[in-house]
Amino acid sequence: KAGVTQTPRYLIKTRGQQVTLSCSPISGHRSVSWYQQTPGQGLQFLFEYFSETQRNKGNFPGRFSGRQFSNSRSEMNVSTLELGDSALYLCASSLVRGTGANVLTFGAGSRLTVL
Amino acid sequence: EDQVTQSPEALRLQEGESSSLNCSYTVSGLRGLFWYRQDPGKGPEFLFTLYSAGEEKEKERLKATLTKKESFLHITAPKPEDSATYLCAVPNQAGTALIFGKGTTLSVSS
Repeated sequence: KAGVTQTPRYLIKTRGQQVTLSCSPISGHRSVSWYQQTPGQGLQFLFEYFSETQRNKGNFPGRFSGRQFSNSRSEMNVSTLELGDSALYLCASSLVRGTGANVLTFGAGSRLTVL
Repeated sequence: EDQVTQSPEALRLQEGESSSLNCSYTVSGLRGLFWYRQDPGKGPEFLFTLYSAGEEKEKERLKATLTKKESFLHITAPKPEDSATYLCAVPNQAGTALIFGKGTTLSVSS
């Protein structure tokens, strides 16, 4: 059974650029959540998508956005990159809606470095 | 404010030396407490969910327990392959997101 797949695994961008990260959930999982992981703040919730709709959003600026497609695949976008956006971006999927109450299966993450 | 605090930040053990990791939380109406394990270069991997004070769950050398204010992850006779970062998380009060602690990085040497 394939796990959660995130691409790309590593990328380097410069300040002001934008980036798009992709996540393919486990087959049959309809909820996709995104988390940012940094050494200083740990894992922080970005947003959750279910049935192509954003259901919940964390405390991040509007530069962070996402979407979900009809096959449950999700993308997140960060525009006008800042140095502080350097982080590991983790995608997690679950069968049902509710990233706060269900077991999440995480991907390996996309490591973003902003120079 | 909903918060999760883990201690210690780092723990070094000899193989076979048992110990415990702590996770304390401040959130009203606990809807579950989750333990995850994260290996370098990988995403967190689910270990346990605990729902009520007094509950215990075991998996190999790991046992998780829950009280009204904190959870412990007991590691009995650890092996080098138990080396990882252990993360604790609870749902926020609205149940819309998981709040993670910063983790305890465990190193077990042979």
